[in-house]
Amino acid sequence: DAGVIQSPRHEVTEMGQEVTLRCKPISGHDYLFWYRQTMMRGLELLIYFNNNVPIDDSGMPEDRFSAKMPNASFSNLKIQPSEPRDSAVYFCASSFLVGEQYFGPGTRLTVT
Amino acid sequence: AQSVAQPEDQVNVAEGNPLTVKCTYSVSGNPYLFWYVQYPNRGLQFLLKYITGDNLVKGSYGFEAEFNKSQTSFHLKKPSALVSDSALYFCAAGSNRDDKIIFGKGTRLHILP
Repeated sequence: DAGVIQSPRHEVTEMGQEVTLRCKPISGHDYLFWYRQTMMRGLELLIYFNNNVPIDDSGMPEDRFSAKMPNASFSNLKIQPSEPRDSAVYFCASSFLVGEQYFGPGTRLTVT
Repeated sequence: AQSVAQPEDQVNVAEGNPLTVKCTYSVSGNPYLFWYVQYPNRGLQFLLKYITGDNLVKGSYGFEAEFNKSQTSFHLKKPSALVSDSALYFCAAGSNRDDKIIFGKGTRLHILP
């Protein structure tokens, strides 16, 4: 398996634009997690899914953030409209067993 | 509420010396404990876990961790550090009552040649 795949790897956008981040989990994993990492706040869990169903979205910072998992092979995280404070590295991770998560390479988002 | 504390922002160790990266936790239920490593511009990589059984857990790259229930600690150790061990290390905790895990803020490990 190629591991968790995220796209794009880098995204630079202007404030107010919509941003879509994509994730393909490892086949057979039934958990999918979205994290955000910044120097100031460290690693934050935004939302996670189990069997494509959102279980906990309490970490989603605002209504500007939304995430979907339409099938077992794909999830996206959208920010609309984007703001400079959303600049961060966004990671997707998947797991079969609780806690043993496999992380993608991340998407580095810069909002100017 | 679950929490993980990594009291050291940075640890410096000379190459060849033993290293310890500290972690304490607070969870409800039976603890599930993990260590991850992050190299620059990469995602986190799973190193090892404790779910049940032997208190000393062995993982990747020669790392091990010791679960101490009375001290609620799960310190990461390695007998002889390598320069290539320099990275950011995260401790994480969950429990048998939750699907998600909570990460500590990370400890940057510098191995000095």
